[in-house]
Amino acid sequence: SQTIHQWPATLVQPVGSPLSLECTVEGTSNPNLYWYRQAAGRGLQLLFYSVGIGQISSEVPQNLSASRPQDRQFILSSKKLLLSDSGFYLCAWSVQWGQAGELFFGEGSRLTVL
Amino acid sequence: AQSVTQLGSHVSVSEGALVLLRCNYSSSVPPYLFWYVQYPNQGLQLLLKYTTGATLVKGINGFEAEFKKSETSFHLTKPSAHMSDAAEYFCAVASSGYSTLTFGKGTMLLVSP
Repeated sequence: SQTIHQWPATLVQPVGSPLSLECTVEGTSNPNLYWYRQAAGRGLQLLFYSVGIGQISSEVPQNLSASRPQDRQFILSSKKLLLSDSGFYLCAWSVQWGQAGELFFGEGSRLTVL
Repeated sequence: AQSVTQLGSHVSVSEGALVLLRCNYSSSVPPYLFWYVQYPNQGLQLLLKYTTGATLVKGINGFEAEFKKSETSFHLTKPSAHMSDAAEYFCAVASSGYSTLTFGKGTMLLVSP
């Protein structure tokens, strides 16, 4: 069966520090991968998605970047965190195109920027 | 562009009462629609989805939703609420390329004894 792992689960970082959140998927090949951010009262905002190694689409210009160095690995990064980067970050995967877009989510990473 | 509106950020019901969570969507293509549930500090779990075919969709934990094209709605219902249903619920619509999902802002369901 397929599983998705995210880490770290919680993170407290000072403003201006770097960020790296990692997500890996097991049990499937060539998945679509996604990073969403959930802020209080704002629902889920799609940040990045990837359909293959090295292929990243950015939905919202901001202080974050994403990379996909391996087929089942997706990394969310920042060089300098802002207070507004605080939130609950969710990684998700889906099967490839034309599969009705059902997403499978990780357990999330809660980031607090102080 | 696709969008989702969930009416009511919070809905309160008594245990055993009907649950109704409202969702309206906008889509430039035939919609694929989803309901997800999120328990505190966890990821989202799929409750049910509509792609094509029967407009009344049954999901897990006794939930169901009906796709009404004329009303652009996909409301979530459950005949009898249970305490374990207390969670946040998200409606979502697939993008025009069916590769990403656009989510509503969520509705927190509170269940009282």
